Amino acid sequence: DIQMTQSPSSLSASVGDRVTITCRASQTIVRYLNWYQQKPGKAPRLLIYHSTILQSGVPSRFSGSGSGTDFTLTITSLQPEDFATYYCQQSYNTPPWTFGQGTKVEIE
Amino acid sequence: QVQLVESGGGVVQPGGSLRLSCAASGFTFVDYGMHWVRQAPGKGLEWVAFIRHDESSKYDADSVKGRFTISRDNSKNTLYLQMNSLRAEDTAVYYCAKDRDPFGSATYLKNGFDYWGQGTLVTVSS
Repeated sequence: DIQMTQSPSSLSASVGDRVTITCRASQTIVRYLNWYQQKPGKAPRLLIYHSTILQSGVPSRFSGSGSGTDFTLTITSLQPEDFATYYCQQSYNTPPWTFGQGTKVEIE
Repeated sequence: QVQLVESGGGVVQPGGSLRLSCAASGFTFVDYGMHWVRQAPGKGLEWVAFIRHDESSKYDADSVKGRFTISRDNSKNTLYLQMNSLRAEDTAVYYCAKDRDPFGSATYLKNGFDYWGQGTLVTVSS
């Protein structure tokens, strides 16, 4: 199975900050990497698929990059509604569809 | 609009059984693969099971293999998860999720899960 490792596990940031979260796969997943946002008590929301493609309705301050084993989610100007936990997920070599352990973005 | 509504969660004793349901609407259910994903209290997301659009293949996680069975009724637009021999470590919120791309697309099963239900809590405790 492919293992997904996110870093950091948590971070503190302020409104307006640029935030970067990384995700590393244990083997190549080409560009089959998805990002989700989850707020407390809510279901996850698909933000980005295929490493870089923004899901419909997602603000353009979110962007993704990467290929092979190393990927990045960037929020260019953090907004109050962006404080949440973010998960990466690989969909290249399935089953299983494996998630990273999550990165919690907290208010500084 | 797409809606996924889970039901069937509750409190069950270790060794017991539950059947979860997920009622789908707002899209052509028969065209899409469907998943169950769970989240233990305070923990991350764990993929549990998948079923192809036409039920021709099913897959499940090693942690539930032989105990959980995914199924669907395309005539009722409903997804199911039969959970047997439940353990304390199965305690979690269970989500059903729709795979993003329909069967027939070049990216079938490759682009994540675009709609999720609200989740149903399963608590395994004596």
